[in-house]
Amino acid sequence: EPEVTQTPSHQVTQMGQEVILRCVPISNHLYFYWYRQILGQKVEFLVSFYNNEISEKSEIFDDQFSVERPDGSNFTLKIRSTKLEDSAMYFCASSENHNEQFFGPGTRLTVL
Amino acid sequence: RKEVEQDPGPFNVPEGATVAFNCTYSNSASQSFFWYRQDCRKEPKLLMSVYSSGNEDGRFTAQLNRASQYISLLIRDSKLSDSATYLCVVNMNNYQLIWGAGTKLIIKP
Repeated sequence: EPEVTQTPSHQVTQMGQEVILRCVPISNHLYFYWYRQILGQKVEFLVSFYNNEISEKSEIFDDQFSVERPDGSNFTLKIRSTKLEDSAMYFCASSENHNEQFFGPGTRLTVL
Repeated sequence: RKEVEQDPGPFNVPEGATVAFNCTYSNSASQSFFWYRQDCRKEPKLLMSVYSSGNEDGRFTAQLNRASQYISLLIRDSKLSDSATYLCVVNMNNYQLIWGAGTKLIIKP
């Protein structure tokens, strides 16, 4: 069964550093998403991406964040200058029809 | 009022029992609805999509009441492996899913 994959599984970084989180969505899906979940809290929407552009973003997704689909398979989330409060689990998801979304296993980001 | 509200639980239920969760949503324009389950420190996994008035999948039944703006999930003959957090998710026909905070379910032997 096709699945969303994410790398790395755990990223530790110093405050102020840039990080890139990588995702490979399910191959025939057209809609891509990033979410985050701070430990013990709810899943929070960050951004959705369709047809090579951002279709929607939340208030969390400020100028420090960017997304890219550099080739036909990868979908990346970049955080330019990480803050302590960026520590969270980051989930990538993809969808064929922007309804049912399928999630990757997540990247745990720890900012020190 | 929160956009999507769920009872946080936890619900402590003996194995074999029936358990029901409710979820209310604030936006009457919401078009589609989902139940996801999330195990501790894992990704959310789609459990059921809820279209029209509701649907059933084995031991799981989801119902939608548009007039009262709530969705329910019923689990019959609960198993130990059903222990998880159940997340109610609403799509208002845009690119963003609105997530509830989840209801934690603990099935006891």
